[in-house]
Amino acid sequence: KAGVTQTPRYLIKTRGQQVTLSCSPISGHRSVSWYQQTPGQGLQFLFEYFSETQRNKGNFPGRFSGRQFSNSRSEMNVSTLELGDSALYLCASRTDRPTDTQYFGPGTRLTVL
Amino acid sequence: GENVEQHPSTLSVQEGDSAVIKCTYSDSASNYFPWYKQELGKGPQLIIDIRSNVGEKKDQRIAVTLNKTAKHFSLHITETQPEDSAVYFCAACGGFKTIFGAGTRLFVKA
Repeated sequence: KAGVTQTPRYLIKTRGQQVTLSCSPISGHRSVSWYQQTPGQGLQFLFEYFSETQRNKGNFPGRFSGRQFSNSRSEMNVSTLELGDSALYLCASRTDRPTDTQYFGPGTRLTVL
Repeated sequence: GENVEQHPSTLSVQEGDSAVIKCTYSDSASNYFPWYKQELGKGPQLIIDIRSNVGEKKDQRIAVTLNKTAKHFSLHITETQPEDSAVYFCAACGGFKTIFGAGTRLFVKA
């Protein structure tokens, strides 16, 4: 089986712009979660989508949003980018429940100038 | 709220020695505990996991122990090698939540 894929791998934007990141889960996985990783902050949970519905949400401002399509692919969008949004954005997929094994993609490295 | 404490934040060992990383969780509903290894420039990779009905699990040089009463679980790496150098994350999963520890940066000196 192919693993979790994320595109693009690297992205450079300027403050005020918006960005869309894409994640394709492992075939058969219906749950997709997004995380922000910054040095010293570990893995910060953004949100989880399951069957096209947001099932869980972390403590991030409304500038961060996401969606999931019928084929389980997911996108996350960040509007009005700030310097502090520079981070590695990780997507992870699993079949269904939180007690199912979660597999991560390689991440998208976002740099905001 | 629920959290997972992970210690130490940095660990340096000599090649061939053992390394132990410990995590403590607070949510009693947690019943699945995976460990991930993250190398530079890559996403976290699952290396071992344990469920609450098991006290210990081993896979070659890696083992995980779980004490549900004390809400502790630990990762043990024996005969460490330079390629074990990475950041390791523990996580506690239950209900609809997955909570990660802050990570441990392991250095294995040749």
